[in-house]
Amino acid sequence: AQKVTQAQTEISVVEKEDVTLDCVYETRDTTYYLFWYKQPPSGELVFLIRRNSFDEQNEISGRYSWNFQKSTSSFNFTITASQVVDSAVYFCALTGTGGFKTIFGAGTRLFVKA
Amino acid sequence: GAVVSQHPSWVICKSGTSVKIECRSLDFQATTMFWYRQFPKQSLMLMATSNEGSKATYEQGVEKDKFLINHASLTLSTLTVTSAHPEDSSFYICSARDRTRYGYTFGSGTRLTVV
Repeated sequence: AQKVTQAQTEISVVEKEDVTLDCVYETRDTTYYLFWYKQPPSGELVFLIRRNSFDEQNEISGRYSWNFQKSTSSFNFTITASQVVDSAVYFCALTGTGGFKTIFGAGTRLFVKA
Repeated sequence: GAVVSQHPSWVICKSGTSVKIECRSLDFQATTMFWYRQFPKQSLMLMATSNEGSKATYEQGVEKDKFLINHASLTLSTLTVTSAHPEDSSFYICSARDRTRYGYTFGSGTRLTVV
């Protein structure tokens, strides 16, 4: 069975602080994809990143960075110098090779205060 | 990039009526589309997987007679909530898989309120 765990339900930070959102996954597939999505109050899902299971390189995109570690089945997301506009719910998700279904974590609600 | 259009964005309907939600891939052909449901402050739960030209596969606990899914073409899937009741009020979101490359694109979601 596949599972995505986001243990942090809510995080509150002050603007300009760095914040890391944790994601731990379980899968028996050898090939799989991991995603992070942002869901602002308006509801739509904003795609942030996709990482395949064979690529463990960390990635940085502006203030966002991702740390993928297969050894610990984790795919953590860090926002550097957070801004109020970063306030949203962030979902980590996993797609395996069987059926191509995407399983979402419970989400982490991030509050960034000015 | 790949775009999925979902309509309507929000709908209010009376209890007992049916509501149809459309999910359309605008610039790619989607062999597979997925329908998710999200209750307030909760995660997205997969309801069903629809493949073009065949019957949808429903997740355990999802009533197939209540949530009718049609995927008649490579660019359109519809979800019809039949005989809607207040407990069906939720945020419904679709995603489409691009057959030519590995990618999933989500629609913008539909907020359904049954009164």
